[in-house]
Amino acid sequence: DAGVIQSPRHEVTEMGQEVTLRCKPISGHNSLFWYRQTMMRGLELLIYFNNNVPIDDSGMPEDRFSAKMPNASFSTLKIQPSEPRDSAVYFCASSLESGLKSLYEQYFGPGTRLTVT
Amino acid sequence: AQKITQTQPGMFVQEKEAVTLDCTYDTSDQSYGLFWYKQPSSGEMIFLIYQGSYDEQNATEGRYSLNFQKARKSANLVISASQLGDSAMYFCAMREGPGRAAGNKLTFGGGTRVLVKP
Repeated sequence: DAGVIQSPRHEVTEMGQEVTLRCKPISGHNSLFWYRQTMMRGLELLIYFNNNVPIDDSGMPEDRFSAKMPNASFSTLKIQPSEPRDSAVYFCASSLESGLKSLYEQYFGPGTRLTVT
Repeated sequence: AQKITQTQPGMFVQEKEAVTLDCTYDTSDQSYGLFWYKQPSSGEMIFLIYQGSYDEQNATEGRYSLNFQKARKSANLVISASQLGDSAMYFCAMREGPGRAAGNKLTFGGGTRVLVKP
């Protein structure tokens, strides 16, 4: 079975450019998460969708960041304009929310390593 | 206050020995879940084990076991019979809230780097 798919795997861009990261969750999962990982701040949740609806975006750093989930199989995280401090690894994860505890684990994609110069 | 604390930034362990990774958490919720993830040098995050706050037994998954001490608010990961492939960063994480209402939002600790020596 395919896991969470992210693209691109690596992105190098110049300050001020728009960056779009893409994620395809595991088929059948109804929750999707965007995380950012840096050495300084560790793993931070940016935004969380359930059934394609944003539930918690309190981790989105500022208005330059936006995320969408137009359907159950696709999500984007956009940074416009990008800044050097946005350099990080961005992970997408998905899970199936149900009453069964064994389904609460989140499955992570391979991540997108973003470098903004 | 930190919700998840991993006090060991790094540790060495001899191959075939057991290692315990510490994790303490802070929550006022009665219902919560605790997770451990492994991140090898390749970067992916791999789910290892889950413990629910109401689970009577400590969780086990193969060579991984979770030493859950609710009163102490600790959820230490024990890796038995360490292998070279266990060298990685290990993250403890917590999901708070009464299940569906709060969803699956996870808060991660800072991680512990484990290096298994041959």
